[in-house]
Amino acid sequence: KNQVEQSPQSLIILEGKNCTLQCNYTVSPFSNLRWYKQDTGRGPVSLTIMTFSENTKSNGRYTATLDADTKQSSLHITASQLSDSASYICVVRDQTGANNLFFGTGTRLTVIP
Amino acid sequence: DAGVIQSPRHEVTEMGQEVTLRCKPISGHDYLFWYRQTMMRGLELLIYFNNNVPIDDSGMPEDRFSAKMPNASFSTLKIQPSEPRDSAVYFCASRRTGLTEAFFGQGTRLTVV
Repeated sequence: KNQVEQSPQSLIILEGKNCTLQCNYTVSPFSNLRWYKQDTGRGPVSLTIMTFSENTKSNGRYTATLDADTKQSSLHITASQLSDSASYICVVRDQTGANNLFFGTGTRLTVIP
Repeated sequence: DAGVIQSPRHEVTEMGQEVTLRCKPISGHDYLFWYRQTMMRGLELLIYFNNNVPIDDSGMPEDRFSAKMPNASFSTLKIQPSEPRDSAVYFCASRRTGLTEAFFGQGTRLTVV
């Protein structure tokens, strides 16, 4: 069964600290994996997309990693800011159709001063 | 472009009433998706259209839910009759053929009392 699991479910960190969010998936055949950031009351916005051949991709203070062998991805946030408080959703696409997207339930990150 | 536009932003209705959610996709996008998001289940795909034609409605929970796309710039999601368990945030997203990223609207928060 195609699934995407994220951990932790929620996380609270101090401003300026780093954190890492995890995503494990069983989706096959794999096409790509995308991390979304969803601010409260807003729609998800894409942060990064990674394909099978990519191991690391950065977008400012956000760095995503992908291990296609173990089917794991992580999102590392460096020097967190209050504006990083949001839900982070891992989404995996398979190769079998126009819209076979599998969503994780997200990690709720709260950055406190 | 203003992005994907959804209306209303918030809707509170009594059980049994009809609810209509509206979406204007990004101009030029030929795919349109309706999602439902809850704390327990995360984001779930309800239905998607390609060139105004419904392609996959297997995510629509019951016959009480229906969606239409009369033209390339407008879609509706209707719930009739509504029930308290329909309470959720409903997102509309669109994308263009050849691009992998879907862009989300800000969602409609539906509360059925």
